[in-house]
Amino acid sequence: QLQLHESGPGLVKPSATLSLTCTFSGASFSSPTYFWGWMRQPPGKGLEWVGSMLYSGSTSYNPSLKSRATISVDTSKSQFSLTLTSVTATDAAVYYCARHPVDGDREAYWGQGTLVTVSS
Amino acid sequence: SYELTQPPSVSVSPGQTARITCSGEVLTKQYVYWYQQKPGQAPVLVLYKDSERPSGIPERFSGSNSGKTVTLTISGVQSEDEADYYCQSADSTVTYEVLFGGGTKLTVL
Repeated sequence: QLQLHESGPGLVKPSATLSLTCTFSGASFSSPTYFWGWMRQPPGKGLEWVGSMLYSGSTSYNPSLKSRATISVDTSKSQFSLTLTSVTATDAAVYYCARHPVDGDREAYWGQGTLVTVSS
Repeated sequence: SYELTQPPSVSVSPGQTARITCSGEVLTKQYVYWYQQKPGQAPVLVLYKDSERPSGIPERFSGSNSGKTVTLTISGVQSEDEADYYCQSADSTVTYEVLFGGGTKLTVL
């Protein structure tokens, strides 16, 4: 059974860079049928997609983030990471990592989420 | 880019049937996921591929697709079903984007 777990600092200063890591077990990153991605949910608001990476290293990001997001992977550690630069209060959210199918034809798996607060 | 539209709220009495819709042009080409989220908890997948139930999801949760509109149906609603429900799909027309509906608050009266 695939498990994902997010980790990272719970507090980030405005204009700083946010770095989160997702550690996964029970599956291989190299499957061609899945994306590995990040979603977020600001307090009291809906879900928002941040970005996703395919096994090949190809990435896609939410255009609203204006190139501030980068996803990378370390397969030797079964981890993938999100870096978000120049954070503002609007980036405060619960961040979830997930594995979601390319074709939407099978189950998706999410972590439990990690809360990020942006404050000086 | 495409959007997914959900009603902000749906209310039903216990034992009745709740129907939550998700509308969007992209739904004629892509499958939909449905997530249930209770306060303070992570989203839980209740349907994938429009109408498939993951293991452990009660049979009262079902889904249907009529082109541009996908419907999550909860038959015999129970108080524990009160939650926010989100639909999710994807747009791969130009680049790949994951799309979420705005969410529907299901209230069990």
